[in-house]
Amino acid sequence: QLQLQESGPGLVKPSETLSLTCSVSGDSLSINPYFWAWIRQPPGKGLQWIGSIYYSGNTYYSPSLRGRVTISLDTSKNQFSLRLNSVTAADAAIYYCTRHPAWNHHFDYWGQGILATVSS
Amino acid sequence: NFMLTQPHSVSESPGKTVTISCTRSSGNIDGNYVEWYQQRPGSAPTTVIYEDDQRPSGVPDRFSGSIDRSSNSASLTISGLKTEDEADYYCQSYDSTSRVFGGGTKLTVL
Repeated sequence: QLQLQESGPGLVKPSETLSLTCSVSGDSLSINPYFWAWIRQPPGKGLQWIGSIYYSGNTYYSPSLRGRVTISLDTSKNQFSLRLNSVTAADAAIYYCTRHPAWNHHFDYWGQGILATVSS
Repeated sequence: NFMLTQPHSVSESPGKTVTISCTRSSGNIDGNYVEWYQQRPGSAPTTVIYEDDQRPSGVPDRFSGSIDRSSNSASLTISGLKTEDEADYYCQSYDSTSRVFGGGTKLTVL
């Protein structure tokens, strides 16, 4: 059974970088043709796709965040990561790591989510 | 880029049927699959419909999805409403470079 688990600091200072990691068990990031993605949800608001990385390493980012976001794979640890630069209060949210197949882009597995707060 | 527009909220009584719409702003609704997620407070979203009209195992057949090319929209229909169906529902689709969610619809079963 595929499982995803987010980890990282829950508190980030304004203008600094938010770094989160997703640990994946039950599947290999580097073998199967899936995308691995980050989605966020500000408190009381809707879901926002941040970006996806293909198992080959190709990346796709939300136009609204492009330039501040980097998603990367660490196949040796079977993890993928999110870095979001220059954070502001608007970046405070629950961050979910997910998977979506290349053939239907359906987010079929989700982590439980991790709350990131932006405060000095 | 395109947007998916959903009603902010809907409400209906137990046992009745409700339909939630999801309208795509540009590009053909039938050009890319539409998915529907249910999210209860404090939990991650779960899939109720994928690939326009497919139900994952474990989702009751009271949930159904459809596509209407004439209005460029997708719909989620829940029949025989139960109080446990009260939740937020999100549609989602994609194009060649982006994955997009609708703004979400809060379903109240009263």
